[in-house]
Amino acid sequence: DSGVTQTPKHLITATGQRVTLRCSPRSGDLSVYWYQQSLDQGLQFLIHYYNGEERAKGNILERFSAQQFPDLHSELNLSSLELGDSALYFCASSTSGQFAGGTEAFFGQGTRLTVV
Amino acid sequence: AQKVTQAQTEISVVEKEDVTLDCVYETRDTTYYLFWYKQPPSGELVFLIRRNSFDEQNEISGRYSWNFQKSTSSFNFTITASQVVDSAVYFCALTHGSSNTGKLIFGQGTTLQVKP
Repeated sequence: DSGVTQTPKHLITATGQRVTLRCSPRSGDLSVYWYQQSLDQGLQFLIHYYNGEERAKGNILERFSAQQFPDLHSELNLSSLELGDSALYFCASSTSGQFAGGTEAFFGQGTRLTVV
Repeated sequence: AQKVTQAQTEISVVEKEDVTLDCVYETRDTTYYLFWYKQPPSGELVFLIRRNSFDEQNEISGRYSWNFQKSTSSFNFTITASQVVDSAVYFCALTHGSSNTGKLIFGQGTTLQVKP
């Protein structure tokens, strides 16, 4: 068990809908990362938050947004869903501080999103 | 630009065979970190190892060993006496060493099947 909790584990929704994925990082970790894993794109970085502030953005669609709350949990909001958004969404956390590159990230079990 | 290449898409071995998973990376940074993660059939991503760019010592952990060679930009992973439980997808990944984000750039992954 990595200590990172993601809910829900599975989500099935229709095109055009909006969903929220939730992540609770490991105790004490200030950094939260979101990744998308799909068959055609592989594992892609979406966004990084550190202590409530956005640190880096990857190829995240404008229909997607995220935030990190004062209690450090994070939510990834996906709206106007399309079939192609079906994927496994991972949250990861790390203890990284100012220089974040050298700290390993621990991943949650992922949320499998299916858009029908 | 940073890039990680895992040229082996799938490898199949028989139990007790040794197997090496290749990883080649590209970066212009002088400080960077390399990682290996394992994704078993259950889907979660499990951290295996982190190596920084200044430490070229090989590492051994039980049946696992890692060979880091800056001269060839490679960070290969060897499993000795493979077991069925080693069947998984293995990802090599790279981060900047001195940036304020630890976002991971993943390779495409190598699916390892260990047959009894």
